[in-house]
Parts: sequence; structure tokens; C-alpha cells
Amino acid sequence: DVKVTQSSRYLVKRTGEKVFLECVQDMDHENMFWYRQDPGLGLRLIYFSYDVKMKEKGDIPEGYSVSREKKERFSLILESASTNQTSMYLCASSLRQIYTEAFFGQGTRLTVV
Amino acid sequence: AQKITQTQPGMFVQEKEAVTLDCTYDTSDPSYGLFWYKQPSSGEMIFLIYQGSYDQQNATEGRYSLNFQKARKSANLVISASQLGDSAMYFCAMREPLSNSGYALNFGKGTSLLVTP
Repeated sequence: DVKVTQSSRYLVKRTGEKVFLECVQDMDHENMFWYRQDPGLGLRLIYFSYDVKMKEKGDIPEGYSVSREKKERFSLILESASTNQTSMYLCASSLRQIYTEAFFGQGTRLTVV
Repeated sequence: AQKITQTQPGMFVQEKEAVTLDCTYDTSDPSYGLFWYKQPSSGEMIFLIYQGSYDQQNATEGRYSLNFQKARKSANLVISASQLGDSAMYFCAMREPLSNSGYALNFGKGTSLLVTP
């Protein structure tokens, strides 16, 4: 079974802190994604990585950066957390082909106070 | 611009009835894939069904079928014989080429389905 694991289920951080959200997949997938999910807004793509060290901005990259040093790991970084980044963050991975579905982690609920 | 539009924020259906969840999409690329996911209250994202832009037949998976109308750019999900366990958020998503970088995956805002006894 494909497994996508996010490092934390719940996080509480202070405004201005640097925050790392980690995601690991065990199926040798080329593609990895970070989304944030907010009520009424669905899932919005923050960043997308199609290979090691390669990344593309999604719809809402402002305030975020990412790192993909190894194929199995994709990190989302909030350089200076703000209260409007309080949200559910979902990581996903997939094979490169267009017809393959993405597999999701369990999500990290981040609260910035 | 919104690539995936789900116009129904919430839907009700009675148990054992069929329900259609709407999804329209926008892309200029001839090659794309359309997906539906279910998210129950537990929060996990569950893949339901896939339709490719070149597929001639509408996709079906058990009680789920996709009413794919390419000219209208719509990919509606039909759930037959609804069950109480179908109550969840449903998301439509599209994969399309992103320059030479592979295929991004974009989601709509979702439809909340409530199945009543």
C-alpha cells in the first residue's frame, strides 16, 4: 500500500516562527504536492515538485517555500508564520503519468497564534 | 482563473436514491485527466474515479460513474443507490500538463453531500 506520512497531525506555532512541515512517501513517486485546505475554498495548491530539487509554484505560494532534497521527502516551509496561515495542510504524491491518482497524507492542522 | 468549478456547495439525497455532483473544468490542453475524491469527516482523501480526456467511454467504479461531456467541459459524478456512509465532501480535480514539468493537480472547492435516511 502507498503510504504518505506527514510528520505531525497537529501543530501550534507562534507568529513569526519558522515552521517546517515534513512529508514522506514510500512508493518512489516522482510528483509531490502541498495543498492547504480551508472551508469553502477547497484544496489550493501551494507548491508542486516533479523531481528531486525541482519545484513549481502553485496558486498560492506567497509566504511559503519548499525543499525536495530526496525523492521521498517534500518539506513545506513557512519562513515567518502568520495567523492567516492557520489551516489544514495536505501533502500528496503520485507517479508522473497524467492518468494516475494522487495519494494523500493524513493532514497537518496548523494553528498560528 | 478557476480551473475547476463545483457549483453546489451542499447537496441532500435520500438513502437509496441516485445523486449527481456537478463539475466543470477549463483547460486548453487536449490531454488532461479528471478525478473525483471523497473526504469523509475523518479527513482522509479517498480516490473514487478517473476519466482521461481521450477515453471514449464514461468511467464507472461500482456505484460511482462519471458523466463526461467533453464539449461542455463537464465531468459530473453520479452516485447510485446512496448510502449513509456516502455523506462526505466530494472534490473534483484535474491533472493537466505544466510546461515540461509534469502534471499539476488542481481541485475544485468541493460539494458537501448529506445522505438522509
